[in-house]
Amino acid sequence: KAGVTQTPRYLIKTRGQQVTLSCSPISGHRSVSWYQQTPGQGLQFLFEYFSETQRNKGNFPGRFSGRQFSNSRSEMNVSTLELGDSALYLCASSLDGPRTEAFFGQGTRLTVV
Amino acid sequence: GESVGLHLPTLSVQEGDNSIINCAYSNSASDYFIWYKQESGKGPQFIIDIRSNMDKRQGQRVTVLLNKTVKHLSLQIAATQPGDSAVYFCAERSKAGGSYIPTFGRGTSLIVHP
Repeated sequence: KAGVTQTPRYLIKTRGQQVTLSCSPISGHRSVSWYQQTPGQGLQFLFEYFSETQRNKGNFPGRFSGRQFSNSRSEMNVSTLELGDSALYLCASSLDGPRTEAFFGQGTRLTVV
Repeated sequence: GESVGLHLPTLSVQEGDNSIINCAYSNSASDYFIWYKQESGKGPQFIIDIRSNMDKRQGQRVTVLLNKTVKHLSLQIAATQPGDSAVYFCAERSKAGGSYIPTFGRGTSLIVHP
């Protein structure tokens, strides 16, 4: 069974640009969550999508958005990038949400210069 | 235990010893807890979970203890191996405004010496 796949693995962007990250969940998993991981703040929850609907949302500005497609694949978009957005962005999938075991991808390392 | 600032607390043990990693959680309304292991360059890996109606749960070589009175969670790893070297962190899930929001601890770095 293939794991959670995130693309790209590494990304360098300039301040002010926008970026889209992709996550393919484990087959059959309908819940996809996104997280930001930094040395200073640790792992922080961005949002969760379930059956193409945003079901839960963390405390991040509106520059961070996402969507989920009918095949459960998800994308995360960050607009007007800031230096502080440099982080490891992780995606996790689970069968049906917060109480089931979540499987993480390897993440996308975003560097904003 | 939980980290303060940028530096993770570190637990160094010898191979074969038992390890205990602690976590203090913040929300008394949290009803589900998970321990994750994260190796360098990889995403977090689920180890074990526990619901708030339990105080102990055992897995293969791992045991999680939950003390709701003092809002404390611990992960015990029996017969620690070099492959257990990683950052371990706990997560709690609580309901806020009808939504489940996970909150993660900063993590503890476990170093196992052969």
